[in-house]
Amino acid sequence: QLQLQESGPGLVKPSETLSLTCTVSGGSVSSTSHYWGWIRQPPGKGLEWIGSIFHSGSAYYTASLKRRLSISVDTPENQFSLRLSSVTAADTAVYYCARASSGFHWASPDAFFDTWGHGTLVSVTS
Amino acid sequence: ETVLTQSPGILSLSPGERATLSCRASQSFSNSYLAWYQQKPGQAPTLLIYATSTRATGIPDRFSGSGSETDFTLSISRLEPEDFAVYYCQQYVRLPYTFGQGTKLELK
Repeated sequence: QLQLQESGPGLVKPSETLSLTCTVSGGSVSSTSHYWGWIRQPPGKGLEWIGSIFHSGSAYYTASLKRRLSISVDTPENQFSLRLSSVTAADTAVYYCARASSGFHWASPDAFFDTWGHGTLVSVTS
Repeated sequence: ETVLTQSPGILSLSPGERATLSCRASQSFSNSYLAWYQQKPGQAPTLLIYATSTRATGIPDRFSGSGSETDFTLSISRLEPEDFAVYYCQQYVRLPYTFGQGTKLELK
């Protein structure tokens, strides 16, 4: 049974870098059928797609964060990670990692999210 | 960016009733790349529907999706107590992938 688990600091200071890791169990980030994504949700608000990555390292980012964002994959550790630099209070949110599926047998960045981690709250505060 | 507008913002119904939730896109879809999620308080979203009308694994058949172009609908035929939650639509036809702002289905 596929499970995803986010980990990382719950508090980050303004202007610093937010770093999160998603550990995948019961499946492989090296899957040729899936991308892996990050989605965030500010407290009391809706969902925002941040970015998605394939095991090859090919990644797609939302334009509004692209300048500050990096997503990477570590296939030996079966993990993928998020780094968001120069954070502000506006980056305070629950961050979810998720598996992205195209609905077909091949991987595509055009995907919905069929399995999610529980989420981790990251607060940006001094 | 494709903006998804969900309506109503809040829907108040009773168990056993039928719920109809709407998701309208600012740009037309040439395919059916729309998904629906359910989110309960303090939990991650759960996938209900993808490709407009395909139920995800384990989702009861009282949930159904329909629509095309710019107008999409999630229907719940007979509400169960566990269905009261927030529902989001998501388009994955073009970057950036976007979500609607959500419809809260509350107990009347």
